[in-house]
Amino acid sequence: QQQVKQSPQSLIVQKGGISIINCAYENTAFDYFPWYQQFPGKGPALLIAIRPDVSEKKEGRFTISFNKSAKQFSLHIMDSQPGDSATYFCAASKQTSYDKVIFGPGTSLSVIP
Amino acid sequence: DAMVIQNPRYQVTQFGKPVTLSCSQTLNHNVMYWYQQKSSQAPKLLFHYYDKDFNNEADTPDNFQSRRPNTSFCFLDIRSPGLGDAAMYLCATSGGDFSYEQYFGPGTRLTVT
Repeated sequence: QQQVKQSPQSLIVQKGGISIINCAYENTAFDYFPWYQQFPGKGPALLIAIRPDVSEKKEGRFTISFNKSAKQFSLHIMDSQPGDSATYFCAASKQTSYDKVIFGPGTSLSVIP
Repeated sequence: DAMVIQNPRYQVTQFGKPVTLSCSQTLNHNVMYWYQQKSSQAPKLLFHYYDKDFNNEADTPDNFQSRRPNTSFCFLDIRSPGLGDAAMYLCATSGGDFSYEQYFGPGTRLTVT
């Protein structure tokens, strides 16, 4: 029940295209869903996050879509750029300062010119 | 800028030789976490401190210990590193205004020879 599933494992997108990464969770107690971006040799950085009271959140080229009834959420990267090439982790947790974050297994995104 | 700092960035140790990794933060967050991340995998939580309260994950080997002498600093001690302990070790903090958000340091890459 603590697991977060993520797909695809790897993704290759042409520059200017849309990158889509999908995640699913089981524990309905989760109420905070962040996405982390990690470049090689760096720590993960919080990219964007959503709470289940909204169905979509957009920040620049990055959009999270959230389907509470299906227990699914996805990251869309519009106008993908080579600089977006990184590993993306979806995650889920409860909104407390000490509850552990459950990470998905990650998606390696390559944006080719 | 407020941040999470990890030293050293790269550490080489010999099989069985104790090693200590350090983390400091200027965010004044009350929660600090240690994660282990192996290649192409998600970060795996080892333990966390909520203020001075230590919380160990059930599957964290006894070989891994931690100390938090004050709010700003946290240490990861690996008492007898094995080849399987070679990984990136990530420190993270949470507990600011948006207390559920975790902020990661750049990581320490540990090599065991």
